[in-house]
Amino acid sequence: KQEVTQIPAALSVPEGENLVLNCSFTDSAIYNLQWFRQDPGKGLTSLLLIQSSQREQTSGRLNASLDKSSGRSTLYIAASQPGDSATYLCAVYEAAGNKLTFGGGTRVLVKP
Amino acid sequence: DAGVIQSPRHEVTEMGQEVTLRCKPISGHNSLFWYRQTMMRGLELLIYFNNNVPIDDSGMPEDRFSAKMPNASFSTLKIQPSEPRDSAVYFCATGYRGYEQFFGPGTRLTVL
Repeated sequence: KQEVTQIPAALSVPEGENLVLNCSFTDSAIYNLQWFRQDPGKGLTSLLLIQSSQREQTSGRLNASLDKSSGRSTLYIAASQPGDSATYLCAVYEAAGNKLTFGGGTRVLVKP
Repeated sequence: DAGVIQSPRHEVTEMGQEVTLRCKPISGHNSLFWYRQTMMRGLELLIYFNNNVPIDDSGMPEDRFSAKMPNASFSTLKIQPSEPRDSAVYFCATGYRGYEQFFGPGTRLTVL
């Protein structure tokens, strides 16, 4: 059974510092990996989707890498801003394609 | 596109009552997922449909839970009878061909 772990569970950084969020998964036979952002009391917003054949994906200040062989993904957020404060979740698609398994999330606080 | 639409956004009910949650997927998406989010267990997949057919309901906690997708534009998740431990945020997500999932805003359910 696939297990997804995100460490640390919470992170606090001063504004302007780069954020590094980690995600690990136990079964490397994944289809895709997706990073989400969730604001308190809100739904999930998709940030980046990395296909299994890709090693990284970029969108603005966000960059996500994927290393299937080691079972790890990292989300980098450059020059953090207070508006980046949220919970970040990673989720892996099983090899069959559809089922998503979520990590527990990392709660980020960016202090002004 | 309006995105995934869920209703109601908030539901407060008493133990033993029937609860029906509704979801309208993004037009053209052929996969629909129901998730539950709690502080203790995080995000859990309850059931998912492909082309209106239930594929995997192994995450449905008990027989009190049932889900239907009568057509490509509508799905329901029903809890009967409801119990306090069912209190959670229920998310509907949709996708196309197992690619990327898009989440609705969620329904916050409180069972007293």
